[in-house]
Amino acid sequence: DTEVTQTPKHLVMGMTNKKSLKCEQHMGHRAMYWYKQKAKKPPELMFVYSYEKLSINESVPSRFSPECPNSSLLNLHLHALQPEDSALYLCASSQSGQGGKNIQYFGAGTRLSVL
Amino acid sequence: AQSVAQPEDQVNVAEGNPLTVKCTYSVSGNPYLFWYVQYPNRGLQFLLKYITGDNLVKGSYGFEAEFNKSQTSFHLKKPSALVSDSALYFCAVRFLYDKLIFGTGTRLQVFP
Repeated sequence: DTEVTQTPKHLVMGMTNKKSLKCEQHMGHRAMYWYKQKAKKPPELMFVYSYEKLSINESVPSRFSPECPNSSLLNLHLHALQPEDSALYLCASSQSGQGGKNIQYFGAGTRLSVL
Repeated sequence: AQSVAQPEDQVNVAEGNPLTVKCTYSVSGNPYLFWYVQYPNRGLQFLLKYITGDNLVKGSYGFEAEFNKSQTSFHLKKPSALVSDSALYFCAVRFLYDKLIFGTGTRLQVFP
């Protein structure tokens, strides 16, 4: 089973709202990722968690706040977003270590619209 | 710096014909290369990877890719295209231990 589950599938929020995206995997992976993908563009890495610790933050604005409560769960907390933050947000997971040979498995994504 | 390039925004092929989606890379050291496919409003699905070994890598759904070190290429191929193969294809290269850098993507359109 290589399933990464993301909820919700769609989210519409105002610029003053606070919302959270959720990602879950049960493959025993210890690395988890958040990506942002704009229409017809490649995914752009936002955050990487390795063994529940934040290892990479790609200079993402503070209105995006990641959280990794345990090895199976990854959240992305959203606050005071801008319309340009509207995008498909993808979660991925992989085994950790092995020098980068690991396959990243992606969820179906959350389609976010900021009004 | 590590990078990948996909020179074609779109590739059109008739069903039953062979298909090739091109990817070139620029890396320092040994390249770890990946191909992913994305269907509309979906996440990315892993197709295949090259780490080391045989230059011809076989992957999911009948796809394969040929690693060519002298041409720094990693083209995706399939002997006989299906209409259901129509999707967006991304080549990616590993950068640092946990980071993938994606190409700009190639839209494959297979016509009946």
